[in-house]
Amino acid sequence: AQRVTQPEKLLSVFKGAPVELKCNYSYSGSPELFWYVQYSRQRLQLLLRHISRESIKGFTADLNKGETSFHLKKPFAQEEDSAMYYCALTRVSGGSNYKLTFGKGTLLTVNP
Amino acid sequence: DVKVTQSSRYLVKRTGEKVFLECVQDMDHENMFWYRQDPGLGLRLIYFSYDVKMKEKGDIPEGYSVSREKKERFSLILESASTNQTSMYLCASSFLGEDEKLFFGSGTQLSVL
Repeated sequence: AQRVTQPEKLLSVFKGAPVELKCNYSYSGSPELFWYVQYSRQRLQLLLRHISRESIKGFTADLNKGETSFHLKKPFAQEEDSAMYYCALTRVSGGSNYKLTFGKGTLLTVNP
Repeated sequence: DVKVTQSSRYLVKRTGEKVFLECVQDMDHENMFWYRQDPGLGLRLIYFSYDVKMKEKGDIPEGYSVSREKKERFSLILESASTNQTSMYLCASSFLGEDEKLFFGSGTQLSVL
């Protein structure tokens, strides 16, 4: 069974400080990992995926298969980063359909 | 721009009522999903569908059913609403083979009294 763990329900940092939202997963096969974000009064939306190796809004995330982790990082947090963040996992699909499994979420608050 | 529309933003129902939550998407997505979102529990998948008239159970299907008579519409049905079904319900859709790129609706906050 696949499982996603976000150990922190709440994370509070000051503006300009580095931020790291932790995500650990358990899955025996080859996973694909994602971060979704929900800003206040907005829809949940895809932030980034590990296969893209991209930086979105200054955030990056590296898949560490040895530690089964996919932590989300940003060197300098901004107030507009305050949101609920969900880590999610799916199998490598190869064209097949597999559902996403979400973690329980971390509420990030960036204080001025 | 993809639009996933949920018919109601807020609903208040009584215990035992039959409740229908409607979701419509306008991007010809094959996949549609219903999640519930609860503080401290995250998103939990209730049901999903990969095609018209096709449905599969998610992680917490008990007390729910779904209907997909048309590709663009996916309905969640609470056969007999109970107080523990008070929650935020999120509908999502995606293209076949792109299950990870979900487009979400705004959500329906259901209160069962």
